[in-house]
Amino acid sequence: NAGVMQNPRHLVRRRGQEARLRCSPMKGHSHVYWYRQLPEEGLKFMVYLQKENIIDESGMPKERFSAEFPKEGPSILRIQQVVRGDSAAYFCASSGTGFPDTQYFGPGTRLTVL
Amino acid sequence: SQQGEEDPQALSIQEGENATMNCSYKTSINNLQWYRQNSGRGLVHLILIRSNEREKHSGRLRVTLDTSKKSSSLLITASRAADTASYFCATEDGGATNKLIFGTGTLLAVQP
Repeated sequence: NAGVMQNPRHLVRRRGQEARLRCSPMKGHSHVYWYRQLPEEGLKFMVYLQKENIIDESGMPKERFSAEFPKEGPSILRIQQVVRGDSAAYFCASSGTGFPDTQYFGPGTRLTVL
Repeated sequence: SQQGEEDPQALSIQEGENATMNCSYKTSINNLQWYRQNSGRGLVHLILIRSNEREKHSGRLRVTLDTSKKSSSLLITASRAADTASYFCATEDGGATNKLIFGTGTLLAVQP
């Protein structure tokens, strides 16, 4: 029973390029959360999605960031025109529909912007 | 900000000793969860305590919750070198999204 999968594990981009981070939730989970962790800090919520719907994007920066969770395939967090301040670890978590329900985290994608 | 605070920021103990970490939060909650993060890795869920519970045990872990003080503590008994990690508390804000609000974390170092 595979856990939450994220890829790539490490991503290096130059300023102005695009970054695409992928997350495959645990089997049977339909809720996906994205969090960002800056160095030496705790995780900060970014966005919550269900299949084909963005439920809460209150933690997303207003520009350059977008997320989707299509009917088929992984959830994608997309960062356009990356800047150095985007360098961070980005974690995806998934949960089922129970209440309360534990969120299971993936290993994260570490984005470095040169 | 709803983010909680954890105390201490860093803790160094000897193997076999107990480690206690504290977490305070600001708003009403449905539940509080503790996670462990090894250096450079993802988060591992340790334990969830609901708002109507006061204490919960899981193996060498003991969690308490005081909703009147908006605080929780995590006790690790008989610590091992493998317990070395950062520990985070996280609260669900009770809204429709169940998003987690994380504390700032405690870095625990267990010396062999």
